[in-house]
Amino acid sequence: KQEVTQIPAALSVPEGENLVLNCSFTDSAIYNLQWFRQDPGKGLTSLLLIQSSQREQTSGRLNASLDKSSGRSTLYIAASQPGDSATYLCAVMDSSYKLIFGSGTRLLVRP
Amino acid sequence: NAGVTQTPKFQVLKTGQSMTLQCAQDMNHNSMYWYRQDPGMGLRLIYYSASEGTTDKGEVPNGYNVSRLNKREFSLRLESAAPSQTSVYFCASSNHIALGDFNSNQPQHFGDGTRLSIL
Repeated sequence: KQEVTQIPAALSVPEGENLVLNCSFTDSAIYNLQWFRQDPGKGLTSLLLIQSSQREQTSGRLNASLDKSSGRSTLYIAASQPGDSATYLCAVMDSSYKLIFGSGTRLLVRP
Repeated sequence: NAGVTQTPKFQVLKTGQSMTLQCAQDMNHNSMYWYRQDPGMGLRLIYYSASEGTTDKGEVPNGYNVSRLNKREFSLRLESAAPSQTSVYFCASSNHIALGDFNSNQPQHFGDGTRLSIL
């Protein structure tokens, strides 16, 4: 059974710092990996989607990498801002085309 | 440009009551999903509909039923609510991949959720 783990569960950093969020999964048979952002009381917003054949995706200050063989992904946020404060969720699409989510990392960027 | 719309946003039920959560999308997506999110946990798939006319069980389907009314609408029904079903429910939609065409994967778009409390 696919399991997705995110470390750390919570992170607090000062504004301007570069940071890395980690995601690991137990079964490398995935179609893609997605990173989402969730603001309090809101739904999820897709940030980056990495196909299984890709190694990384970039969008603005965000860069996500995927290493299928080791079952790991990282989300790199450059020059963090208070507006980046949110919960970040990682999800993998498994062999039956379902998304399996991690429990998220709560990020607080302090001004 | 509404995206995915869920109604209601909040609901309080008594144990044993029934209710239907509504979801509609205006992006012409063929696939729709229902998830629940409990405190400190990620989202868990309840049911999904890969295309109009089909529905399949997800990870936690017990106690729920779904209806894919048409391409736009996908409802979730609790026939006899239980306190364990207190949660935040999210509906999502996407364009499902064509079999064998992995590069057509598209991200899922989510509604803002329905916060359901069962007393």
